[in-house]
Amino acid sequence: SAVISQKPSRDICQRGTSLTIQCQVDSQVTMMFWYRQQPGQSLTLIATANQGSEATYESGFVIDKFPISRPNLTFSTLTVSNMSPEDSSIYLCSVSYSNTEAFFGQGTRLTVV
Amino acid sequence: SQQGEEDPQALSIQEGENATMNCSYKTSINNLQWYRQNSGRGLVHLILIRSNEREKHSGRLRVTLDTSKKSSSLLITASRAADTASYFCATDEGGAQKLVFGQGTRLTINP
Repeated sequence: SAVISQKPSRDICQRGTSLTIQCQVDSQVTMMFWYRQQPGQSLTLIATANQGSEATYESGFVIDKFPISRPNLTFSTLTVSNMSPEDSSIYLCSVSYSNTEAFFGQGTRLTVV
Repeated sequence: SQQGEEDPQALSIQEGENATMNCSYKTSINNLQWYRQNSGRGLVHLILIRSNEREKHSGRLRVTLDTSKKSSSLLITASRAADTASYFCATDEGGAQKLVFGQGTRLTINP
């Protein structure tokens, strides 16, 4: 199992600014995942964060908008850059192991005004 | 990747009744998982069923998997008010560790 600490839990930001979300895992994991959940919607994968290499982004997400860091096997950050109201969502980090359940942080509820 | 589909999108039942949610997916999988989300926060893992399993039980939960139809169902028996939440299925698309989520079912249990 894994315990994930994600912060901040929520924030209200001005458009045009950036917010960095942190995710700390209590054990070493190879891959960490960042998801976005827009209001009333399901979860969509933004990118996979690999330690020691660049993140792998899903279609529709780009590094300039969502830069990710993965400095070690227990920590990752996601930055939401140059925010607009359309970025208002819940952002969740996750880890999983091969063919087992995934574990999620409590999410960051972002509101852009 | 495209999300799977769940139905119904919303379900409202009386306490004590059973709730059934269905999920369809598009690719081959190693496993399918069901999650619960309360008030738009973190996800709680409910149950995982592997591709070589057809049915699995956990307490009041029963999950079935039909890989030939690429579909799964989640049955919650004897529902309680505390079961009110959104329920999502998720698959490890093509066996990768990343998950593809269904659209979710919003379940409301009326006292």
